[in-house]
Amino acid sequence: EIVLTQSPDTLSLSPGERATLSCRASQSVSSSYLAWYQQKRGQAPRLLIYGASSRATGIPDRFSGSGSGTDFTLTISRLEPEDFAVYYCQQYGSSPRYSFGQGTKLEIK
Amino acid sequence: EVQLVESGGGLVQPGGSLRLSCAASGFTFSSYAVNWVRQAPGKGLEWVSFISGSSANIFYADSVEGRFTISRDNAKNSVYLQMNSLRAEDTAVYYCARDVSDCSGGTCYQIRFDPWGQGTLVTVSS
Repeated sequence: EIVLTQSPDTLSLSPGERATLSCRASQSVSSSYLAWYQQKRGQAPRLLIYGASSRATGIPDRFSGSGSGTDFTLTISRLEPEDFAVYYCQQYGSSPRYSFGQGTKLEIK
Repeated sequence: EVQLVESGGGLVQPGGSLRLSCAASGFTFSSYAVNWVRQAPGKGLEWVSFISGSSANIFYADSVEGRFTISRDNAKNSVYLQMNSLRAEDTAVYYCARDVSDCSGGTCYQIRFDPWGQGTLVTVSS
C-alpha cells in the first residue's frame, strides 16, 4: 500500500506570497498517476493538477505541479484570497486503487 | 455542463442500510468509470469504491469491502452505493466523482477525478 504524506499540515501565508506544498509517497509513484485537488470550506474538491504537472481546465497558471518518484510539489506562485483552502494529493495504485494524502491547510497569515 | 448530483443520504442507526445515488449529466455516461469518495467530519478524503463504465471492473476499499456494493444503470445515467451493516465510523459526506483518463494501447494514463458531485451526508447514530 502506498501512503502519501503531505507537508506541512498547515501553511500560513499572506496574499501575494508564494506557497509550496509537498506530497511524499512511501513508494515510487508514476507521475502520470499523481493529482492535486483543492477543497474550500463547505465545497466539494476540485481538480487542479493531474499527471503531476498538467493544469486542469480553467485553473489559473499561478498553480503549477512538479516532481517525480516519491516527491511531488504543488506551487502557487502568488497567492490570491480565493486560494486559501485545503489541498490534497492523490495517487492511483494497485491496492488500494486510490489513496489521498491527509491534506495541507493553506491559511491566511 | 458535466455534472454529478448525489442523493440518498440521511440518518441511520448502526447496523442499518442506506442506498446512495449519483445522477450524471452532460457527458456520455457509459464511457466513464465513477468513484465514491467519503469525508468524515473534519477529516480528509477517503476513496471508497470504483466501477468501470461497463460494470466489468469493481473495486472497494478494505474498510467497506463486504458491506458496501457499487452498481450502475447506464440507461438511467446513474451510479449507486448500497451500504449495509453501517457503523458510526461510516458517518461522512459521500461524494461521487467521474474517473477520467487518457488511454492508449490498453494502458491508461493521467488518471484523475473530475468533476465531483456536491456530496450527500450520511450519519450513522442511534
